[in-house]
Amino acid sequence: GQNIDQPTEMTATEGAIVQINCTYQTSGFNGLFWYQQHAGEAPTFLSYNVLDGLEEKGRFSSFLSRSKGYSYLLLKELQMKDSASYLCAYMDSNYQLIWGAGTKLIIKP
Amino acid sequence: IAGITQAPTSQILAAGRRMTLRCTQDMRHNAMYWYRQDLGLGLRLIHYSNTAGTTGKGEVPDGYSVSRANTDDFPLTLASAVPSQTSVYFCASSALPGSTGELFFGEGSRLTVL
Repeated sequence: GQNIDQPTEMTATEGAIVQINCTYQTSGFNGLFWYQQHAGEAPTFLSYNVLDGLEEKGRFSSFLSRSKGYSYLLLKELQMKDSASYLCAYMDSNYQLIWGAGTKLIIKP
Repeated sequence: IAGITQAPTSQILAAGRRMTLRCTQDMRHNAMYWYRQDLGLGLRLIHYSNTAGTTGKGEVPDGYSVSRANTDDFPLTLASAVPSQTSVYFCASSALPGSTGELFFGEGSRLTVL
């Protein structure tokens, strides 16, 4: 199947921390991706997880639990420029990406 | 460094017309993809090409065709446009097919079919 879910919209405050969750169900799995997409622009790569655990990259971290079909993207020290949509996608057994609908993150001063 | 270039950026098209969206990359990537993005839905794969000379169907191929005559170019053709093909179209590439690395996206082509 192609089940992947993430919240439609989240709001957070500048300087705070926010966690965006993504759950998926698939019989074949070859990794989990997070992309950032500013309004009217192309998606850009943020992270890739294939093994369980936390990958940290500056202010952004991504976590994966394969047994739970669960990932999250953690954004620290939020800045206004972090206002964007965050797209979760898993790679299936055919090495094709299956995308969630995206989470629109609104940052308030 | 251009990366991936799409044209046109935006187009309004009458139903029944033929339209080709152009995509060119200068990264010498083997794999290229066409996605459409609609509000409330995730990116959906239309067609892909793992290497020059080969193409494959994605999740939503009906009404679209592609060709991959060389490494750099991957045009998407709508033979007879219909209103349901109104969408934002993204071309993307990756170094290897099914790459565990990142996809590089073009800036998108916004197509409106009336």
